[in-house]
Amino acid sequence: DQQVKQNSPSLSVQEGRISILNCDYTNSMFDFFLWYKKYPAEGPTFLISISSIKDKNEDGRFTVFLNKSAKHLSLHIVPSQPGDSAVYFCAASGGYGGSQGNLIFGKGTKLSVKP
Amino acid sequence: GAGVSQSPSNKVTEKGKDVELRCDPISGHTALYWYRQSLGQGLEFLIYFQGNSAPDKSGLPSDRFSAERTGGSVSTLTIQRTQQEDSAVYLCASSLSWGGRGNGYTFGSGTRLTVV
Repeated sequence: DQQVKQNSPSLSVQEGRISILNCDYTNSMFDFFLWYKKYPAEGPTFLISISSIKDKNEDGRFTVFLNKSAKHLSLHIVPSQPGDSAVYFCAASGGYGGSQGNLIFGKGTKLSVKP
Repeated sequence: GAGVSQSPSNKVTEKGKDVELRCDPISGHTALYWYRQSLGQGLEFLIYFQGNSAPDKSGLPSDRFSAERTGGSVSTLTIQRTQQEDSAVYLCASSLSWGGRGNGYTFGSGTRLTVV
């Protein structure tokens, strides 16, 4: 059973427009969420994170929104650039005990930004 | 080192052979994690180390998989009697403290394993 779900395997947007990547989770113990970006033949790289005590975190063109009641988070990229084309993974972590401290990843969404 | 280093970057092996994958984490990172990504799938957790011990082995797919870490540094993931379903990219990550809070994990570039 997937605890972190990214239901859109791919997304295509025009350069300059907003990209919105969505992520849903099922485990109410999750209290820390991250987004990773992955280019082909490279490992994932950390992009932005959010703690469950917040509902928004912004870093430059990237903003993550968290809706705890809906168990939903989203990543907004604005304006989108061709260099943002990559696979984006949502990840979640819960607590410091046992396996819940490890990051659980979604399947990823492939973003294509067209010039 | 400056980043997480994994070797080999690519490995093609015959079904039934054993393989060893190596991970050299960032110096000083006490936590080390192994994940794998099969075609069309997300990152599947395999095992993590805190120092040299592995408190959570729950993600290892079968008893053909094992991992060890020595000196709180280098880790090896061993797959015995490889099967075609073992074909995947095996990713190693490390973090300064367990759980990856803050900036999360730093990943290596992975080892692409192909079992033929």
